[in-house]
Amino acid sequence: QKEVEQNSGPLSVPEGAIASLNCTYSDRGSQSFFWYRQYSGKSPELIMFIYSNGDKEDGRFTAQLNKASQYVSLLIRDSQPSDSATYLCAVGGAGSYQLTFGKGTKLSVIP
Amino acid sequence: DTAVSQTPKYLVTQMGNDKSIKCEQNLGHDTMYWYKQDSKKFLKIMFSYNNKELIINETVPNRFSPKSPDKAHLNLHINSLELGDSAVYFCASSPTSGGARVFGPGTRLTVL
Repeated sequence: QKEVEQNSGPLSVPEGAIASLNCTYSDRGSQSFFWYRQYSGKSPELIMFIYSNGDKEDGRFTAQLNKASQYVSLLIRDSQPSDSATYLCAVGGAGSYQLTFGKGTKLSVIP
Repeated sequence: DTAVSQTPKYLVTQMGNDKSIKCEQNLGHDTMYWYKQDSKKFLKIMFSYNNKELIINETVPNRFSPKSPDKAHLNLHINSLELGDSAVYFCASSPTSGGARVFGPGTRLTVL
């Protein structure tokens, strides 16, 4: 069974710091990696996704993949209190309709 | 203009009843999904449709029946509701395959 593991947190960082969120996956054949943000009581919002061919930066967010160790990271630079949310990692195959989600890491950015 | 909409937002019902949740997307996406998020916030796929064709049917009780009249709509009908069905159900869509891109606001189902 495919598994995606995340530390549930909470991960607390001071405002302006870099928040580092990690997720490990069990299926070595995984090729697509997604990060979502979910505020309490709201629906998940896609932050970014990467494929197995490389990392990606989008504004303050960077997604990095370590295939050898089977983990994917999300870095949030210059963290803001508005970044406080639960971050969900999801993993799938190439062109897959099906993503396996982790249980999420709760991030708290302290002003 | 709402990209993915769901109705109703809240649904409170008795055990044994039948209920439906409707979903519509105006993004022109080909693929739509139903996800269930339980009380521990674990998000799990239930169904996926691509251009009205069922692609994914996870291990879901057959009391749950999705229906896609066209690629912009995906409805979920639930028969004989049970206490364990209480959860938030999210509809989502994506341009093609490759994971949900936009989620709807969710329907919180409470079975009493």
